[in-house]
Amino acid sequence: GQQVMQIPQYQHVQEGEDFTTYCNSSTTLSNIQWYKQRPGGHPVFLIQLVKSGEVKKQKRLTFQFGEAKKNSSLHITATQTTDVGTYFCAGREWGANSGGSNYKLTFGKGTLLTVNP
Amino acid sequence: ETGVTQTPRHLVMGMTNKKSLKCEQHLGHNAMYWYKQSAKKPLELMFVYSLEERVENNSVPSRFSPECPNSSHLFLHLHTLQPEDSALYLCASSQDGWIGGDTEAFFGQGTRLTVV
Repeated sequence: GQQVMQIPQYQHVQEGEDFTTYCNSSTTLSNIQWYKQRPGGHPVFLIQLVKSGEVKKQKRLTFQFGEAKKNSSLHITATQTTDVGTYFCAGREWGANSGGSNYKLTFGKGTLLTVNP
Repeated sequence: ETGVTQTPRHLVMGMTNKKSLKCEQHLGHNAMYWYKQSAKKPLELMFVYSLEERVENNSVPSRFSPECPNSSHLFLHLHTLQPEDSALYLCASSQDGWIGGDTEAFFGQGTRLTVV
């Protein structure tokens, strides 16, 4: 079945440093989503990428979708303490059809980001 | 508040107990999900309901029994659980389409389950 691998599992940075987490799928994706889960909270949607090679920005966050639509990255510039949390990627397999798999978001293990003020 | 409400927020149950988790969404979504989140594992998809019909069951043990009486409500019935079933159980909903109509998943705040 589809696997979504995310690295690193943990990342500790000093406030002001940059941070990147990478997501790789074993299969081609129709789209990829990114979520953030604050400590003690629940995952909250950040963004969805659909097109090959797509790049989207949200303030200090930059999201990329690979040309082959099998990998993605999230880059945070100049981290702040408010960026602390676990960042998950979640992919939908390309070509999924009836039978249920079109509904399946496969999540990566997440990257736990901690920021030292 | 995400529009997806889960109750209870915390639950402690013995291995012989029977309990139910409840999830409610009023976002008009057509798909609802149960996920399990353990300390050292990624989000594990348990069940998917689309238009009140179960479309996916990810080899979940029969001690977990889902129920979707209507498009707004989803239950997870629990019986004879094991300590390793202790985890955060998250409900989510989304509006899923065949092509291009997918939206993001909205998660509830979860139920923290402890099996003793």
